[in-house]
Amino acid sequence: EVQLVESGGGLVQPGRSLKLSCAASGFTFSNYYMAWVRQAPKKGLEWVATISTSGSRTYYPDSVKGRFTISRDNAKSSLYLQMNSLKSEDTATYYCASGRYSLDYWGQGVMVTVSS
Amino acid sequence: DIQMTQSPASLSASLGETVSIECLASEDIYNNLAWYQQKPGKSPQLLIYYASSLQDGVPSRFSGSGSGTQYSLKINSLESEDAATYFCLQDSEYPYTFGAGTKLELK
Repeated sequence: EVQLVESGGGLVQPGRSLKLSCAASGFTFSNYYMAWVRQAPKKGLEWVATISTSGSRTYYPDSVKGRFTISRDNAKSSLYLQMNSLKSEDTATYYCASGRYSLDYWGQGVMVTVSS
Repeated sequence: DIQMTQSPASLSASLGETVSIECLASEDIYNNLAWYQQKPGKSPQLLIYYASSLQDGVPSRFSGSGSGTQYSLKINSLESEDAATYFCLQDSEYPYTFGAGTKLELK
C-alpha cells in the first residue's frame, strides 16, 4: 500500500524558514517524480513543486520560485520542501503527491501557518 | 501559464441523478487532464487520469471525456458518498494548474 506521510509543519513568522519532509513507502520511490501541492484554508489547490526521479530537474510556479526548494533522498525514500522567506500567503496545508499517471497518491497533508 | 476554468462552482442534485462538471483549458492540453474528489478534512483522491481513464478502485459511475481544451466529468446515479468538491488538474505542462473546484451537494 502506498503511503506518503508529511511532517515538519507548524507556526512560523513571516520572513523565516521551514522545511517539510515526506516519508514514502509502498512503492519504488526512486522511480517516480514527486510533487508538493498546497491548499490555503477554504481555498483551491495550488501546485508548488515537482522533482524528477534523480533530482536533477525541478519545477516551480512563479509564486514560490526562488524561495522554495524541492529535494529528495532516494536512499531514504524521502521528499523535502525547504521554504524560505515565508509570507502570510504561504499559509496552507501542504501535500506530498506522486504517481504513475498523474498525482495518483497524496499524503494526509501538513499545516503551515505564517503569522507574527 | 495554462488557465483552467471549471464550472459550475457549485451544484445541488438528488440521489440517483446524473451530473456533469466541465473544465475548459486556455490552450490544448492533449488529454493531460485529471479529476479529483476531495471531502472535508481529507486529501484529494484521483478519479480519472488522461481525461477518460478510470483510476483503480473508483466506481464505474464516474467517467471522464473530452479533448483539446474541453473536458468533463460525469457522475451517474449519484450516491450520498459523492457529496464532495471536485477539481480538475492539467498536467500537460508546467506550471501544473488546477480548476477552482465544484462543490457537489446532495439534496
